[in-house]
Amino acid sequence: AQSVSQHNHHVILSEAASLELGCNYSYGGTVNLFWYVQYPGQHLQLLLKYFSGDPLVKGIKGFEAEFIKSKFSFNLRKPSVQWSDTAEYFCAAYSGGYQKVTFGTGTKLQVIP
Amino acid sequence: DTGVSQDPRHKITKRGQNVTFRCDPISEHNRLYWYRQTLGQGPEFLTYFQNEAQLEKSRLLSDRFSAERPKGSFSTLEIQRTEQGDSAMYLCASRSAREDNEQFFGPGTRLTVL
Repeated sequence: AQSVSQHNHHVILSEAASLELGCNYSYGGTVNLFWYVQYPGQHLQLLLKYFSGDPLVKGIKGFEAEFIKSKFSFNLRKPSVQWSDTAEYFCAAYSGGYQKVTFGTGTKLQVIP
Repeated sequence: DTGVSQDPRHKITKRGQNVTFRCDPISEHNRLYWYRQTLGQGPEFLTYFQNEAQLEKSRLLSDRFSAERPKGSFSTLEIQRTEQGDSAMYLCASRSAREDNEQFFGPGTRLTVL
């Protein structure tokens, strides 16, 4: 079955620390990947997406992710987090027809000033 | 606001009652999705429409759930004979026909079944 795994459920960092959130997927064939963010009290918003091309994808607010096909991973990174990055982050994927997107369980990031 | 809108934002109902939620997608988006999200989980796919056609349904969508998109614009999700296990956030998303476009999510409807 297709699945997306996020192993970090809750991450606490101090401002200016570097961030890496793990995401692994289990899909055969071509896969398309997303990171969404949900700030407190707000709806899900896209951070970045990978469909093809350069495996290093840059998104909004200084976030980036690297697609490593051999490791079935799409980890999210940011070199220096800010308090305003406190949110829940979801990795998502689909393969083949764009009918069903599978989400991971999410990672809650808390940034301490 | 030209984003995806959902109504109501919150719904409290008693077990056994029927509820209906509405989603208005971004106007030029012909694809519409419903998801359910419970505490500590990511959104779980429920169903997908392309224009007015319902093209895929998850096994999560029991016979008590029905979704429609009669004119290919807004969509409704109805839950009949609600159960406490139906308590969740129900999310709607839409996207355009371009294959490399992402889904845009609405704010969700939080359902509480007492």
